Amino acid sequence: SQKIEQNSEALNIQEGKTATLTCNYTNYSPAYLQWYRQDPGRGPVFLLLIRENEKEKRKERLKVTFDTTLKQSLFHITASQPADSATYLCALDYNQAGTALIFGKGTTLSVSS
Amino acid sequence: GAVVSQHPSRVICKSGTSVKIECRSLDFQATTMFWYRQFPKQSLMLMATSNEGSKATYEQGVEKDKFLINHASLTLSTLTVTSAHPEDSSFYICSARDRVGGNTKAFFGQGTRLTVV
Repeated sequence: SQKIEQNSEALNIQEGKTATLTCNYTNYSPAYLQWYRQDPGRGPVFLLLIRENEKEKRKERLKVTFDTTLKQSLFHITASQPADSATYLCALDYNQAGTALIFGKGTTLSVSS
Repeated sequence: GAVVSQHPSRVICKSGTSVKIECRSLDFQATTMFWYRQFPKQSLMLMATSNEGSKATYEQGVEKDKFLINHASLTLSTLTVTSAHPEDSSFYICSARDRVGGNTKAFFGQGTRLTVV
């Protein structure tokens, strides 16, 4: 059966360190993989998208890698700040008209000062 | 950027009544919108795909007679929870994808916290 796993439910790190979140999937072949941020009681907000033929994508302090052989994506936040504390969701995307994103359970990141 | 607006953000209703949630795409046309439900510390679970001008497509296990979806225009989809029961209490989120220029990212509404008492 199809499955998306994000490595841990919670991750606690100190301010200034790099947070690394993992997303693994089985029995999918997505065209894209996306990462979203969700704050409590709010809808998700788009962060980054990476295509199946891309190895790495960067945006400011964020970096995403995508290994279609391992079926894994890593999401990094460098120089983390308390404001980065939130739940981060990975989502698989078939990029077909009318198809929804499929989400992992998310990892809740807490950055302490 | 594209914005999706969802209303209301919170609603409390009595068991047996119906509740309507609206989802609007504010600056783009969405032929397709998606409705998700999220329980505490759980993933967003897709409930149904709302298609403008036609019937919604429901995911397995989602009762179409209980969760009525109407997508009457290119900017508005509604979800009506009929005869609500306490087990329907959850966080409901709508989403739309703006595909202009090959952009595939999804925009989400603010979510609706439904509490059935």
